[in-house]
Amino acid sequence: RKEVEQDPGPFNVPEGATVAFNCTYSNSASQSFFWYRQDCRKEPKLLMSVYSSGNEDGRFTAQLNRASQYISLLIRDSKLSDSATYLCVVNHPGTASKLTFGTGTRLQVTL
Amino acid sequence: EPEVTQTPSHQVTQMGQEVILRCVPISNHLYFYWYRQILGQKVEFLVSFYNNEISEKSEIFDDQFSVERPDGSNFTLKIRSTKLEDSAMYFCASSEAYRGYYNEQFFGPGTRLTVL
Repeated sequence: RKEVEQDPGPFNVPEGATVAFNCTYSNSASQSFFWYRQDCRKEPKLLMSVYSSGNEDGRFTAQLNRASQYISLLIRDSKLSDSATYLCVVNHPGTASKLTFGTGTRLQVTL
Repeated sequence: EPEVTQTPSHQVTQMGQEVILRCVPISNHLYFYWYRQILGQKVEFLVSFYNNEISEKSEIFDDQFSVERPDGSNFTLKIRSTKLEDSAMYFCASSEAYRGYYNEQFFGPGTRLTVL
């Protein structure tokens, strides 16, 4: 089983739509969770950390389900500028410094 | 907003040559990292560095790789004898003081390394 698993997509949605991505991680000992976005041939950019209580930042909501070992990202009112690859990232158990990345889910928002 | 910077943006080298990739982390950050991403694949951890020493490294980071903080601002990755399979985008990242497990890492724009 992959350490961090994501549906590669692509998800094609119209502007204004709500879209949700899920991610599963294999090691229950992981402690920290993040969503990054990556534009084509660019660096990963931190979108948000995902805490046990869940968190929201504007149109973006992240949830963590430790029992099922999955993380979700909800994007409301999608914008064209949201088109990117969304990377689910988990710390390697026992360490804060080593991050394990998923392969990413591609989102394409269209007019 | 402070950013991680990296030079060069693109490096082309011949197999067997040494390359040094350079990074300037965010100024008040204390933890530094190198990751790589082979085209079409996921981002992979190489090494983390704190207090002038390596704190962790992956199995990819073999004896051909080394890191150094030669002065107060730069952080470098050296590949001693490049192989074709070293061709990838290399990202430097940094994070500030340790805050439990939530060490938010900020990435530089990357150096694209092409080994011919």
